[in-house]
Amino acid sequence: DAKTTQPPSMDCAEGRAANLPCNHSTISGNEYVYWYRQIHSQGPQYIIHGLKNNETNEMASLIITEDRKSSTLILPHATLRDTAVYYCIVLKKAAGNKLTFGGGTRVLVKP
Amino acid sequence: DGGITQSPKYLFRKEGQNVTLSCEQNLNHDAMYWYRQDPGQGLRLIYYSQIVNDFQKGDIAEGYSVSREKKESFPLTVTSAQKNPTAFYLCASNRDHSTDTQYFGPGTRLTVL
Repeated sequence: DAKTTQPPSMDCAEGRAANLPCNHSTISGNEYVYWYRQIHSQGPQYIIHGLKNNETNEMASLIITEDRKSSTLILPHATLRDTAVYYCIVLKKAAGNKLTFGGGTRVLVKP
Repeated sequence: DGGITQSPKYLFRKEGQNVTLSCEQNLNHDAMYWYRQDPGQGLRLIYYSQIVNDFQKGDIAEGYSVSREKKESFPLTVTSAQKNPTAFYLCASNRDHSTDTQYFGPGTRLTVL
C-alpha cells in the first residue's frame, strides 16, 4: 500500500473550516484514499473515502487532486469535539485488508 | 443499536496470566480484526478472520490466539508468551473480506502488572 505524509499537528478555531492535507504520491490506480480519526483513548472512527472524485458526507468533504497524489480533508465547521488525531490511509479493496496508520495529524480545535 | 462492543474497557492482569478480550458485533459483518496500539503509535494487525471458523495471522500474532466459532464474536487471548502485553487493543469488522470500511469498537486497555 502507498505511504502517506501528513503534517504532525495543526490548530483550528472553533466554527472555522479545518483543511487537513495528505500526500500520497506513490498511490496506484486501484488504491482508495481513506480518512479515519481517533479521539483520545477511543477506537478509530471512519470519516470518508474516495477514489478519484471529490466526496462529501455529513462529517466532511474529501478533495482529491486530479493526479491523485494528494488530498485534503475538510471539516466545514470545526467543533471542540473534532479535536483528535486524523489519519489518511491509502489501500486497495482486498481480502483481509489491514489498516496501517501512520503518524496522522493531531488537530486541536480551540475556542 | 448496531455496533461493535468490546469488554471490559480497562483490564488488569498479573504477569504470567492468560487473559481473554471480548469483541462482539451485531452488524452481520463477515470479517473481523484485532489490532494493537501502543502509546503514540499506529495500529498493528494481530489476527483477522474473513469468515466463521477461519482466521489468519497478522503482523504480530506471536503470543496471541483467537477463535471464530460464531459470526458475531471474535475473542482474543493474550497468553503469557506475549512479552509486552500492555497496550490498547482494538477490534474491528467489515462487511466482507473485499469490502473497504472497517468499523472499530471502543477498545480495551490492558495493563499487565
